[in-house]
Amino acid sequence: DIVMTQTPLSSPVTLGQPASISCRSSQSLVASDGNIYLSWLQQRPGQPPRLLIYKISNRFSGVPDRFSGSGAGTDFTLNISRVEAEDVGLYYCMQATHFPYTFGQGTRLEI
Amino acid sequence: EVQPVESGGGLVQPGGSLRLSCRGSSFTFSDHWMYWVRQAPGKGLVWVSRMNADGSYTAHADSVKGRFTISRDNARNALFLQMNSLRAEDTAVYYCGRDFYGGFDQWGQGILVTVSS
Repeated sequence: DIVMTQTPLSSPVTLGQPASISCRSSQSLVASDGNIYLSWLQQRPGQPPRLLIYKISNRFSGVPDRFSGSGAGTDFTLNISRVEAEDVGLYYCMQATHFPYTFGQGTRLEI
Repeated sequence: EVQPVESGGGLVQPGGSLRLSCRGSSFTFSDHWMYWVRQAPGKGLVWVSRMNADGSYTAHADSVKGRFTISRDNARNALFLQMNSLRAEDTAVYYCGRDFYGGFDQWGQGILVTVSS
């Protein structure tokens, strides 16, 4: 199985300041169709997960533009340009290139 | 959009069975791959099962293979997860979700399954 390793596991942040979460996969995530199926999810306390980013860098509908994704191969990053209070929660990366799909351990963003 | 709604969870003894349902009203199930993902208390997300749009292809995680079966009824916009031979380690909140270019969107609120004697 592909192992997804997120760093850091916990990230204290300051409102209005940027934040960054890294995700590294144990193998290349390039699919046979040439796409990389790496997504980012946010889970606020007591809520189900919510899709933020798909295919590395595509923002899902309704996601604020302060969220952005980047990366290639095995290294990926979620950036938040200016953290807001509503961004507190857990963030997961997920790969859907290789079966079985796997998630990172989660990174807790806390103010 | 209205999120899907899961149902059918609850407390069950080890070795028992449950059937989870996921029903959506804001999109046409038959157009999409659908998934089940679970989250044990205080733990991370784990993919469980997937099914393609017309129901002809399924896949399950090794941890549930042979015990869980995913199915769907597109006419009723419904997704199911039949869970047999349940174990304590299956205790989790179960979410259904829709594939969106390799990401999961349209997550339900989740349904708690507790396996305990």
